[in-house]
Amino acid sequence: GAGVSQSPSNKVTEKGKDVELRCDPISGHTALYWYRQRLGQGLEFLIYFQGNSAPDKSGLPSDRFSAERTGESVSTLTIQRTQQEDSAVYLCASSSSKGLYGYTFGSGTRLTVV
Amino acid sequence: SQKIEQNSEALNIQEGKTATLTCNYTNYSPAYLQWYRQDPGRGPVFLLLIRENEKEKRKERLKVTFDTTLKQSLFHITASQPADSATYLCALDLSGDKIIFGKGTRLHILP
Repeated sequence: GAGVSQSPSNKVTEKGKDVELRCDPISGHTALYWYRQRLGQGLEFLIYFQGNSAPDKSGLPSDRFSAERTGESVSTLTIQRTQQEDSAVYLCASSSSKGLYGYTFGSGTRLTVV
Repeated sequence: SQKIEQNSEALNIQEGKTATLTCNYTNYSPAYLQWYRQDPGRGPVFLLLIRENEKEKRKERLKVTFDTTLKQSLFHITASQPADSATYLCALDLSGDKIIFGKGTRLHILP
C-alpha cells in the first residue's frame, strides 16, 4: 500500500482481556518495527522483524507481549491479560535497506485499558 | 548507562528566525543518526539521516550536523514558519537493526 496501515486506530479493553494489534507495512519493505509511546513520553522499542524472523525481541516488556509476522507482510502484536500500564499508543514502522532511507510509521493504535 | 537527551522539552522561536535543536548521547556508537517530526495524534515522519562519517546534511530549510567526538547532533530549521511547530525526535541507528529515540523537543514557532 501507499503507507503503513495500523488497525484498530483506537481500542478500549478491560483489564485482563487479550488484544491484537495489526500492522500492514509498505509493500516490499523487509523490516518491520513495533514501538510503544506512553502519553508525553518518547518511543520505546519493542521488537524488530527482518522478513518473518525476529532477531531482536529485547524490548518486549514481559511474556504477556508477543508478535508475529507473516512473510514480509502483516504483523500482529498480541498483549495477553492486559494491565492498565499497557495503555499507550502502539506504533508500527517499516523500512527497506536497513533503514537507510528512514522508517515509515503508521498512525498507531491507541490502547486504553480500563 | 546509555542515554539520548534532547536539549529541552519545549522551545519557542519567533517566526523567521532559525530554530536549533540539540541531541546528545552517551555510551552509544551509532552508525547513523536520524531526525523525525511528530505531530499530535500521528506517527513520526522521517526528515533526515546523517552517517557517522558525514559532518553536515541539508534538505531545503533543514540542516543537521553530527559530531561523533562530542556525541552530539544539531538540527536547524532556517526561516522558521508556524507550520514547523511540532515535536522533533532524534534517533540513533544502532548498526541498522533498530533505532532508539530521544524523548523529543516540542517546537513552537510564534507568529
